[in-house]
Amino acid sequence: DAMVIQNPRYQVTQFGKPVTLSCSQTLNHNVMYWYQQKSSQAPKLLFHYYDKDFNNEADTPDNFQSRRPNTSFCFLDIRSPGLGDAAMYLCATTTGGLETQYFGPGTRLLVL
Amino acid sequence: QKEVEQNSGPLSVPEGAIASLNCTYSDRGSQSFFWYRQYSGKSPELIMFIYSNGDKEDGRFTAQLNKASQYVSLLIRDSQPSDSATYLCAVSEGNTGKLIFGQGTTLQVKP
Repeated sequence: DAMVIQNPRYQVTQFGKPVTLSCSQTLNHNVMYWYQQKSSQAPKLLFHYYDKDFNNEADTPDNFQSRRPNTSFCFLDIRSPGLGDAAMYLCATTTGGLETQYFGPGTRLLVL
Repeated sequence: QKEVEQNSGPLSVPEGAIASLNCTYSDRGSQSFFWYRQYSGKSPELIMFIYSNGDKEDGRFTAQLNKASQYVSLLIRDSQPSDSATYLCAVSEGNTGKLIFGQGTTLQVKP
């Protein structure tokens, strides 16, 4: 059974039109991560949560925000998507060891 | 800046051969080491993790860790065409709970 669920799998938006990506996890774990991965690049950490404690990376653009209304759900908001934001967005959680991260299937974002 | 280095490849091996993937890291405080497999267009899938120096075997996969040399490797025995993918090395960033990823090595297994 899937531990991390992401919707939608593919998202097309227009330049500057806000978009929200969603993630849910079935393990009730308190740690969740959002990554951005561009073609042939390493995943880049945008945000992570330890329970309700929210952390954004120093180089995460202000255009990106995240919400976590409860333990199971997490959202990534892109306020004004640019062409450079086209990427795969990955949500992850942990089980067992704190650093052992498991990824959802990802949402591929296309910006027109 | 803490870094994880991998040869981007592609690494090409014939079916049935041993594929050897290598990774070096800069953070001496790293304690946990992971290998993820990523097929084109898909998300990373965890295949191995290792915490202690030495070898750890799981089926056809063996992870090797040498903390003194800051080096971790993945061996894939009896390589199959289905092993063709990008392999990401990830290293824990101290005790932050965060991972530092390498750029990945593309493996091609030719029938």
